Amino acid sequence: EVQLVQSGAEVKKPGEALKISCKGSGQSFTRHWIGWVRQKPGQGLEWMGIIYPGDSNTRYSPAFRGQVTISADRSVTTAYLQWSSLKASDTAIYYCARVYGDYALDHWGQGTLVTVSS
Amino acid sequence: EIVLTQSPATLSLSPGERATLSCRASQSVRSSLAWYQQRPGQAPRLLIFDVSNRATGIPARFSGSGSGTDFTLTISSLEPEDFAVYYCQQRNNWPLLGTFGQGTKVEI
Repeated sequence: EVQLVQSGAEVKKPGEALKISCKGSGQSFTRHWIGWVRQKPGQGLEWMGIIYPGDSNTRYSPAFRGQVTISADRSVTTAYLQWSSLKASDTAIYYCARVYGDYALDHWGQGTLVTVSS
Repeated sequence: EIVLTQSPATLSLSPGERATLSCRASQSVRSSLAWYQQRPGQAPRLLIFDVSNRATGIPARFSGSGSGTDFTLTISSLEPEDFAVYYCQQRNNWPLLGTFGQGTKVEI
C-alpha cells in the first residue's frame, strides 16, 4: 500500500527558512511523480509543483515558480518543499500527493500545517 | 488558463437524498476531469478520475459524468460520512497539473 507521511506542524517567523518533507513507502515512490498542493485557511486547493523522485525532474505552477523549491532524495524516498524566506501569506496546510495518470492525485499525505507569524 | 467553476457553493441535503454537483470548465478539458472529497480536518481523497472512473475503494453511490466543459458528480444516496467539500480538477498540458475548482460544500 502506498503511504505518504509528512513532517509535523511548523511555526515560523516571517523571513525564516523552512523545509518540510514527505516520505513515501515502497520502491514505487521513485517511479511516480509527487505533487505539492497548498490549502490556505478556509480556502480551496492549489497545486504548486511536481517532482519525479527517480531523477528529480521538477515542474512548477507559474504561481509558485521562484517562491518555493521542490526537491527529492531517492535514497530515503522523500520529497521536500522549502522556502528561503517565509511570509505571513505562506500560512497554510501543505499536502504532498502521488500523481496518477498525469494529473489526478491518488494518494495523499496527511498534510503539514505551516504557520508564519511574528 | 482553464478555469473551473463549481456550483452550487453549498448544497444542503439530508441523509438518503441524492446530491448533484456541477463543475463547468472555461474551455474543453475533453475527458480529463477528476473529483475529490475533503472531510473536515482530513486530506482530500480521490473519488473519480477521467470523468467517470471510480478510484480504488470508492463506493458505487459516487458517479461522474459529462464531457467537454460540463461535468457532474452524483451521490445517489447520501451517507452521513459524505457531508464534506468536493473539488473538481482538470488536466492541463502535462507536465503541468490542472487547476482545481473552488469547491462545493455538501452540508446536512
